[in-house]
Amino acid sequence: GEDVEQSLFLSVREGDSSVINCTYTDSSSTYLYWYKQEPGAGLQLLTYIFSNMDMKQDQRLTVLLNKKDKHLSLRIADTQTGDSAIYFCAPGSNTGKLIFGQGTTLQVKP
Amino acid sequence: EPEVTQTPSHQVTQMGQEVILRCVPISNHLYFYWYRQILGQKVEFLVSFYNNEISEKSEIFDDQFSVERPDGSNFTLKIRSTKLEDSAMYFCASSLDSRTGELFFGEGSRLTVL
Repeated sequence: GEDVEQSLFLSVREGDSSVINCTYTDSSSTYLYWYKQEPGAGLQLLTYIFSNMDMKQDQRLTVLLNKKDKHLSLRIADTQTGDSAIYFCAPGSNTGKLIFGQGTTLQVKP
Repeated sequence: EPEVTQTPSHQVTQMGQEVILRCVPISNHLYFYWYRQILGQKVEFLVSFYNNEISEKSEIFDDQFSVERPDGSNFTLKIRSTKLEDSAMYFCASSLDSRTGELFFGEGSRLTVL
């Protein structure tokens, strides 16, 4: 079945860039999403990229998609302590069904 | 800002009991979903719902599960006879358009089955 893999943990210093990587198996995904989950909160949509794009920039966030290698990454520039959270990669089909990775915990040290 | 709300935030129940989890999706959204996250595991798709019927469901969504939109605002998930392995965080989500998949999630309902 479809699968999404992410590294479990990333630690960076405040002000550095963070790069969270994701690989997936379902080549039919039309949109690929990044969600953020803060402690005790729901899943917040951060950004997404359409499958025919290579890159999308949204303020401090840059999404890169390598469709051939089925690799998605999220870069956060100038990482702040408020960015500490769990980040989920979630490829989606046009039915709205999302397949989530296990989440990458981002720890930002002051 | 409109949001998806879920109740209860936490429910503890005995094995074999029926549980209903409630969700109020964003008012102009047309597509509704339930996902769950067992502690330490991935967020898993359960079911999607559109136009008053299930549009897709996962293998997890067996006969013990049902969904309903009893009125114009609520969207419920019923577990008929809970099992220990149903203990999880259940997330409701809604979207305006299934194709873009911009799902808006609630904060979740934690279900503990004893």
